[in-house]
Amino acid sequence: DAMVIQNPRYQVTQFGKPVTLSCSQTLNHNVMYWYQQKSSQAPKLLFHYYDKDFNNEADTPDNFQSRRPNTSFCFLDIRSPGLGDAAMYLCATRRGQGALDEKLFFGSGTQLSVL
Amino acid sequence: GENVEQHPSTLSVQEGDSAVIKCTYSDSASNYFPWYKQELGKGPQLIIDIRSNVGEKKDQRIAVTLNKTAKHFSLHITETQPEDSAVYFCAPTDSWGKLQFGAGTQVVVTP
Repeated sequence: DAMVIQNPRYQVTQFGKPVTLSCSQTLNHNVMYWYQQKSSQAPKLLFHYYDKDFNNEADTPDNFQSRRPNTSFCFLDIRSPGLGDAAMYLCATRRGQGALDEKLFFGSGTQLSVL
Repeated sequence: GENVEQHPSTLSVQEGDSAVIKCTYSDSASNYFPWYKQELGKGPQLIIDIRSNVGEKKDQRIAVTLNKTAKHFSLHITETQPEDSAVYFCAPTDSWGKLQFGAGTQVVVTP
């Protein structure tokens, strides 16, 4: 059973048209991450939530925003997608309840195309 | 910040042979060393991990070895099978759960 679920699997948007990607988890984990992965590259961390605390990476563009309305759901909003934002977007979770719980659980990702 | 180097970037092996991928890191605060496998069109999945107080860990055909003094750890796959074809990432992690992915290794297992 999928534990980190991302919808949709594929998303096509137009240049400059806002788009929202969603992630849900059944693990009740405290930490949720959003990664951007471009072709043949490693995932790049955009930001993460520890519970309700939002942590933005220094080099994440302002064009990317996130919301976490409750423990189970987290959203990635791209306010004005550019062609360079076409990528796979990965959601991941981590229990985050102390030591020995560093394992990340990834969803299957949303492949975003920008036309 | 953490500097992670992963080698090789691509690895082609004959089915049944062994594959070894090496990851070198710089941050001495790293104390958790996982390897993730990413199949085409899917998210990365943890396949094996090791902690800083252990030198080697094995799980069936895969193993991870750690040399903390030299700051490197390696993934070993024995008796490779076509389903081992994927991209593998190392991701040294510190106590706060902050990790840095290596650049990835594309493994191709040819029958």
